[in-house]
Amino acid sequence: EIVLTQSPATLSLSPGERATLSCRASQSVSSYLAWYQQKPGQAPRLLIYDASNRATGIPARFSGSGSGTDFTLTISSLEPEDFAVYYCQQRSNWPGTFGPGTKVDIK
Amino acid sequence: EVQLVESGGGLVQPGRSLRLSCAASGFTFDDYAMHWVRQAPGKGLEWVSGISWNSGSTGYADSVKGRFTISRDNAKNSLYLQMNSLRAEDTALYYCAKDMSDEQQLTFQHWGQGTLVTVSS
Repeated sequence: EIVLTQSPATLSLSPGERATLSCRASQSVSSYLAWYQQKPGQAPRLLIYDASNRATGIPARFSGSGSGTDFTLTISSLEPEDFAVYYCQQRSNWPGTFGPGTKVDIK
Repeated sequence: EVQLVESGGGLVQPGRSLRLSCAASGFTFDDYAMHWVRQAPGKGLEWVSGISWNSGSTGYADSVKGRFTISRDNAKNSLYLQMNSLRAEDTALYYCAKDMSDEQQLTFQHWGQGTLVTVSS
């Protein structure tokens, strides 16, 4: 089973700042990596699929990059509604596994 | 608008069974694979099971294999999860999720709000 590691566990930033979240896989997942956002009491929402493709309706301030084992989710300028937990997930190998999440909170 | 509405959760004793349902609307149900993903209280996400558009292929996490069975009824736009021999560690919020593809591509494009399963004596 592929293990995903996310860093940092918590990221404390102010609105308007740039957020850089990392996801590392225990073995190559090619570009088969997605990012999800989850706010308290809500279901996850797909942000990015296949490493760099924004899902429908996702603002352009969200971008994804990487391939192989190292991936990055960047939020170019944090809006108040962006403070949430972010999960990466791979679909290269069964089962599709999730990372433990990075919490982006308000500094 | 895609809507996924789960039901069937509740409090159940260890060793007993429960059947979850997911009613889908706002899209052509039989064009997409579907999944169940769970989240234990205060924890992360875990894929549980998936099924292709025509039920031709199914998949299960090792943690539920042999105990849970996924199924779908395309005529009723519904997804199901039969959970047997429930354990305390199955306690979680169970989400129904729509895939991006007709086969199990394992990209979860849309999610329901979840139904809570609590396994306790």
